Amino acid sequence: GEDVEQSLFLSVREGDSSVINCTYTDSSSTYLYWYKQEPGAGLQLLTYIFSNMDMKQDQRLTVLLNKKDKHLSLRIADTQTGDSAIYFCAAGDAGNMLTFGGGTRLMVKP
Amino acid sequence: SQTIHQWPATLVQPVGSPLSLECTVEGTSNPNLYWYRQAAGRGLQLLFYSVGIGQISSEVPQNLSASRPQDRQFILSSKKLLLSDSGFYLCAWSPTGNEQYFGPGTRLTVT
Repeated sequence: GEDVEQSLFLSVREGDSSVINCTYTDSSSTYLYWYKQEPGAGLQLLTYIFSNMDMKQDQRLTVLLNKKDKHLSLRIADTQTGDSAIYFCAAGDAGNMLTFGGGTRLMVKP
Repeated sequence: SQTIHQWPATLVQPVGSPLSLECTVEGTSNPNLYWYRQAAGRGLQLLFYSVGIGQISSEVPQNLSASRPQDRQFILSSKKLLLSDSGFYLCAWSPTGNEQYFGPGTRLTVT
């Protein structure tokens, strides 16, 4: 089955850009998603990209997809302390099921 | 707009006791519904999903069961809780089967 991998931890300074990376194994994944989870809360859908796209930008968020390498990244411009959270990458298959990565904890230092 | 509710928000139950967690969605009809468990603030494990009333698919055989008695209601149950059932339980809904929207979660501690 699908396997989604993320690095565990990322630390950046306030105002810098953050880049969170994700790899997946199933080349037939149709949609790829980024979710944000703050402590004690549910997951918030940030953005998603269809597999026939290679980039999507939404305000401070930029998603890059390299389908050949099965690599997805989320760039957060001008990172703020409020961006500190766990970020999950997820891959959706044709059966509309999502496989989640283990999450990357982003720490933003003032 | 659509909203998803889960209750209770937190629950402490002894081993061997029953469990019932409820999830309801407002503002949509015939959604796909999902139950996930998250251990220690990390990855999510899909437990059950439903594409319609009375239709439940189980992803992982375990001590839990799910039911969908109404279109926008999804219930997670157990007859006898185990210590290993502790975790953060998340309900999610999807309008089309693609993007999923999550509820606030229930923190379950089994003692």
